[in-house]
Amino acid sequence: GQQLNQSPQSMFIQEGEDVSMNCTSSSIFNTWLWYKQDPGEGPVLLIALYKAGELTSNGRLTAQFGITRKDSFLNISASIPSDVGIYFCAGQNSGGSNYKLTFGKGTLLTVNP
Amino acid sequence: DTEVTQTPKHLVMGMTNKKSLKCEQHMGHRAMYWYKQKAKKPPELMFVYSYEKLSINESVPSRFSPECPNSSLLNLHLHALQPEDSALYLCASSRGQGGDNQPQHFGDGTRLSIL
Repeated sequence: GQQLNQSPQSMFIQEGEDVSMNCTSSSIFNTWLWYKQDPGEGPVLLIALYKAGELTSNGRLTAQFGITRKDSFLNISASIPSDVGIYFCAGQNSGGSNYKLTFGKGTLLTVNP
Repeated sequence: DTEVTQTPKHLVMGMTNKKSLKCEQHMGHRAMYWYKQKAKKPPELMFVYSYEKLSINESVPSRFSPECPNSSLLNLHLHALQPEDSALYLCASSRGQGGDNQPQHFGDGTRLSIL
């Protein structure tokens, strides 16, 4: 089945620094999604990407859908303490299996004030 | 605040108990999902309902029984669970009308502990 490699597994940064994480796949996806999960809560959708090459921003977050359809990255600029959490990428295809998400293993972000 | 509401937030039950988890959404979504999530791991898909019909069962043990009474509600009935079933159970929904542009939106989950 499809697998996603998400890196890094964890990051420890100082407040104000920029952050970058990425996901790569052995096969293509039609949609890339980025979620953030805080302790005790469910994943919250941050950015959805639908076209190869698409670059989308949401406040301090920027994500790109790779041209090959096999990768995506998420950047966070000027990190703040509330950015702490686990970030998951997820790939999705259209058609008969379009209900299934393939998740990366997550990036645990810690921001030191 | 999430638009997918799950109750209860926490549940502790013995292995012989019967309990149910509930999920509700009022976004007009026609696809609803149950996931199981262990600590610091990604969610694992259990069931998918599309237009109130079970569409996907990811080989989930029969001690988990899903039910979709209507397009806004999704239940997960639990019976004779094992300690390894302790996890965060997440509900999600999406438009479910086919094609792209339908990301899944998650609730905050039910933290289930089996004694």
